Amino acid sequence: DARVTQTPRDKVTEMGQEVTMRCQPILGHNTVFWYRQTMMQGLELLAYFRNRAPLDDSGMPKDRFSAEMPDATLATLKIQPSEPRDSAVYFCASSYDFGQPQHFGDGTRLSIL
Amino acid sequence: AQSVTQPDIHITVSEGASLELRCNYSYGATPYLFWYVQSPGQGLQLLLKYFSGDTLVQGIKGFEAEFKRSQSSFNLRKPSVHWSDAAEYFCAVGASSGGGADGLTFGKGTHLIIQP
Repeated sequence: DARVTQTPRDKVTEMGQEVTMRCQPILGHNTVFWYRQTMMQGLELLAYFRNRAPLDDSGMPKDRFSAEMPDATLATLKIQPSEPRDSAVYFCASSYDFGQPQHFGDGTRLSIL
Repeated sequence: AQSVTQPDIHITVSEGASLELRCNYSYGATPYLFWYVQSPGQGLQLLLKYFSGDTLVQGIKGFEAEFKRSQSSFNLRKPSVHWSDAAEYFCAVGASSGGGADGLTFGKGTHLIIQP
C-alpha cells in the first residue's frame, strides 16, 4: 500500500535550535496537510498545500514556523527557533484532491527541552 | 467555522459487545465526514467517510456510521468489538471553499477500552 512517509520519527533537541520535519506524500496526491497533536489541544491544522502552492497557513505561528513544498515529493515544516511549547506530534497527510480522504503518516514526535 | 464534538472521552466495552461512538458536528452546509482510528504511537487510519448519498456508510474492520442531518450526528457503530479495536477514535469534518481544499477539523477523540 502507498503510504505517507515522515522523517524523522522522533526528534529531541534543545530550545532555540532549528527543527526541520519532512514529509513525502503519496505519489499522485496533490494536496498536503500539516497537523499538530497535543494532549491539551488535540489535532490542529497548521497549514496545507495544493499543487505545491500554500493555500492556508493560518494555524501556524508565523514568527517561528514555516512550511514549504520544494517539489511534489517533499513537504517540509520548519521551526526556528524552537520552544518547549512546540513539543507535540506533527502529522503530515495527503489526499488525491479536495474533499477526498486524507492519508496520514506516522508522525514526528518532537520534544523541545 | 466548523466544529466537532465527541461527548465521550472514554468508553469501556466488553469484548463481543456492540459499540456506538457519538459524534456531533457543526457546519453550515453539507459536510464531508470521516472517522479515523489511531493506535498508540501510530498515525491516523481512515475507517470510513461520508460525502453524499446513502446515509449509512460501511467502513473497514466491520465499522459503519450513519449520517443524520436532522441531528447533526455521525455516530460510529460496530456490532461486536474485538480486543484489537482498543484505540483512540476521531471524528472529523471537512469542507471545501472557493475551490480549494480545507483541512479537517477533528473532535477531541474517544478512547476505547475493551474488557476481556
